[in-house]
Amino acid sequence: SAVISQKPSRDICQRGTSLTIQCQVDSQVTMMFWYRQQPGQSLTLIATANQGSEATYESGFVIDKFPISRPNLTFSTLTVSNMSPEDSSIYLCSAGTEQGGYTFGSGTRLTVV
Amino acid sequence: LAKTTQPISMDSYEGQEVNITCSHNNIATNDYITWYQQFPSQGPRFIIQGYKTKVTNEVASLFIPADRKSSTLSLPRVSLSDTAVYYCLVGLGGNQGGKLIFGQGTELSVKP
Repeated sequence: SAVISQKPSRDICQRGTSLTIQCQVDSQVTMMFWYRQQPGQSLTLIATANQGSEATYESGFVIDKFPISRPNLTFSTLTVSNMSPEDSSIYLCSAGTEQGGYTFGSGTRLTVV
Repeated sequence: LAKTTQPISMDSYEGQEVNITCSHNNIATNDYITWYQQFPSQGPRFIIQGYKTKVTNEVASLFIPADRKSSTLSLPRVSLSDTAVYYCLVGLGGNQGGKLIFGQGTELSVKP
């Protein structure tokens, strides 16, 4: 299974600013996803990161707020834009292949003040 | 994507067998059933996946009846380290290139 390195592991940001989260995979993967998880809650899928094209967003999430890049088969970024306290959450990257299944990073704990 | 329903929480004691049942009445023909485990401050970890009947690995067993409208994750002889949240997912799953949609999960608490 793919091993995922996610950075930063945590951050405290001022409202109105943006934070970019990086997801690096140790092998080429076909699928990459971004999730959000509020403390004590389940995971909510934000979008599928598509290599070489625009990400596919789930209902309730838009590109202007959560721009995603995926320049190659091992790397993706999620930006949380114009942050407010409501964006405080854990953001997780997931990646894998049809054959190997999916693994998850340890997440980025974001606090907006 | 099929909706899943599972108990919000369960309690057990060390050494017992734990069975967590998940209902998925609207499962589609191509859907697989996948279970993930999540510890605090970590991402979810794959446990087991199945399509029908029974699947067993070194960690757990997954029982799926013929109608596939439910499934049961069985954890043999649990220990304190099995305290975690367990998620049942239904969909194409990782092996088919589909996206994973998480339900509410079952918080398992194992006591000494």
